[in-house]
Amino acid sequence: AQSVTQLDSQVPVFEEAPVELRCNYSSSVSVYLFWYVQYPNQGLQLLLKYLSGSTLVESINGFEAEFNKSQTSFHLRKPSVHISDTAEYFCAVSIIQGAQKLVFGQGTRLTINP
Amino acid sequence: GAGVSQTPSNKVTEKGKYVELRCDPISGHTALYWYRQSLGQGPEFLIYFQGTGAADDSGLPNDRFFAVRPEGSVSTLKIQRTERGDSAMYLCASSLTSGSRETQYFGPGTRLLVL
Repeated sequence: AQSVTQLDSQVPVFEEAPVELRCNYSSSVSVYLFWYVQYPNQGLQLLLKYLSGSTLVESINGFEAEFNKSQTSFHLRKPSVHISDTAEYFCAVSIIQGAQKLVFGQGTRLTINP
Repeated sequence: GAGVSQTPSNKVTEKGKYVELRCDPISGHTALYWYRQSLGQGPEFLIYFQGTGAADDSGLPNDRFFAVRPEGSVSTLKIQRTERGDSAMYLCASSLTSGSRETQYFGPGTRLLVL
């Protein structure tokens, strides 16, 4: 079975500060990795995903995540956050061969203070 | 184009009642998923459809939960004899094809409250 751990339930940061949201996973087989974001009063939407190739993946709004196989991590980073980044962020995995389902972490609530 | 839609957005029912939750996937998407999200938790997988058939229902918690997708498009999640512990946000997602690398597009959810 797979599991995902997001080490921080809440992360408060000041606007324009850097942020890192941590994600570790456990799996005996290879996985794909995803970050989903849920803005207030909206549904989950994909932020970025790692399928293969370069271990560093980027989103269109300045977030990036790096797949680290040895540490089984997929931390999300942004060098300078904006008020509009306030949201809940979910890390998720899916097995490369087998079940199609996503296994999610508990989520990290990112709060940006002016 | 239109995204995934779910109705109703909120449902309040009494313990023991039967409820149906509806999901309209993105047009042309063949795969459809149901998840349940309890307060303060991440979504948990319930069931996955490829076309009309349930390809994986391993996440359904017990036999009070059932889902259908008779024409390969709209899906209904059915909960019999609701219990207070069923209170949660129920999320539906769809993807263009099956495959664990595919992006799943989520609807806004149905918030179910069992009194």
